[in-house]
Amino acid sequence: QVKLVESGGGVVQPGRSLRLSCAASGFSFSSFGMHWVRQTPDKGLEWVAIISYDGRNIYYGNSMKGRFTISRDNSKNTLFLQMHGLRAEDRAVYYCAKSIHPFSGPSGMDVWGQGTTVTVS
Amino acid sequence: QSALAQPASVSGSRGQSITISCTGTSSDVGDYNSVSWYQLRPGTVPKLIIYDVTQRPSGVSDRFSGSKSGNMASLTISGLQAEDEADYYCSSYTANRGVFGTGTRLTVL
Repeated sequence: QVKLVESGGGVVQPGRSLRLSCAASGFSFSSFGMHWVRQTPDKGLEWVAIISYDGRNIYYGNSMKGRFTISRDNSKNTLFLQMHGLRAEDRAVYYCAKSIHPFSGPSGMDVWGQGTTVTVS
Repeated sequence: QSALAQPASVSGSRGQSITISCTGTSSDVGDYNSVSWYQLRPGTVPKLIIYDVTQRPSGVSDRFSGSKSGNMASLTISGLQAEDEADYYCSSYTANRGVFGTGTRLTVL
């Protein structure tokens, strides 16, 4: 069964850091690009970042650049999102999601985790 | 990257068809064939219903179809059912960075 499980969310003070993790199982993790997406009641879905299957290509949403770092450990089937300088507007449910096509560039996201909530207060 | 423009809400009666538009630019929707659509029901995670403009993942009803013309993509749902009531988001890419639409709430009357 293809599964993604996020962890690491919580309540953090403005300006502090937080590291999210996403444990993958049931598929060849090292073959697929991975995304972080966040959801808020006000803005809906907002794309955060993408990392290619091999970790060599990384892109960020404009409001995250310089503060967030996406990374992956293919030996442990785990995706990470390191967040620094957190702001009130970063409060959201953060999802990790799997690209639908292996070894490819931008594509749709066919598997999503259950999400982890980040509150900045 | 600016959010793709979607109507805030659409509605239709059971059995009818509706279309949701997703308007971008020549740098995103017009430039990529990686347009996707996601369904969000309350309390559930986003579900991919269309990818690569027109493709349906396994298990998604053929009542859902996608298309694109120029800088605008569209999602059509035919034979509306009560279970289709949800929020729908389109997504594309610009310079390899993802961008979502503003979201559309579908009400089934």
